[in-house]
Amino acid sequence: DTAVSQTPKYLVTQMGNDKSIKCEQNLGHDTMYWYKQDSKKFLKIMFSYNNKELIINETVPNRFSPKSPDKAHLNLHINSLELGDSAVYFCASSPRGGTPSGNTIYFGEGSWLTVV
Amino acid sequence: AQRVTQPEKLLSVFKGAPVELKCNYSYSGSPELFWYVQYSRQRLQLLLRHISRESIKGFTADLNKGETSFHLKKPFAQEEDSAMYYCAPEGTNAGKSTFGDGTTLTVKP
Repeated sequence: DTAVSQTPKYLVTQMGNDKSIKCEQNLGHDTMYWYKQDSKKFLKIMFSYNNKELIINETVPNRFSPKSPDKAHLNLHINSLELGDSAVYFCASSPRGGTPSGNTIYFGEGSWLTVV
Repeated sequence: AQRVTQPEKLLSVFKGAPVELKCNYSYSGSPELFWYVQYSRQRLQLLLRHISRESIKGFTADLNKGETSFHLKKPFAQEEDSAMYYCAPEGTNAGKSTFGDGTTLTVKP
C-alpha cells in the first residue's frame, strides 16, 4: 500500500547512457514532482506536474525530460548521462493547493543514481 | 523573491539537551510552513506544519511573523532524532515548495 513508489531504487550506469526512473502514486493527488538531492543534501525541485500538465520547470538541462501519462504517474528520462547527474532523485506528490492538508508533500523512497 | 534560510548546516547536541533548528523565510503573502525530516537513507516525511499547531515526536515550531522565522524546537533531544531536517515554507503558487538547504542534527549519547 505504498503511497509514492519509484523504481529503480539503485541505478549505476556509465556516462553517455540514457536511463529512466518511474514513479507512481496511489493517493489520488493532482500534483507530482521530481526533486534532486545532491551530495551535500541540498534538495532542489526539478519539475512539477498538475493533472498531467507541466507547471514548474526549473533550470534543469534539457537532457532531463519528464513524462506524465496520467496524473498518477510521472516518469523521468535522462539522456546522455553525465558524472554530475549522480544524485538521489525523489518523486513526490501532493493534493491540490489550497486544500485543508496545506499541500503536504509525500515523497517516494528515492532513486540513487550513480554515473561512472 | 521567495527564500528560505536554514543557517546551520550541522547541529550537534547531547541526548537530553534542548535543540533548536533555525529557519527564516522571506516570502510574499502568508506562507504555510512545514518541517520535513529525513532519517538515514529513508524518504523525506512531513514532521509538522504550523497550521496544525501540533507537537510531533516532542517537536514544536512557532511561526514568528515579526522575525519571519519558523524555528523547530525540542526540549529534550533523543538519539533517534538524529536526521536531516528541512524547512519548507510554501507560497500561494500551487505545486511549488521551496526547501531550505537542510540541517543535519546529530544527537550524541
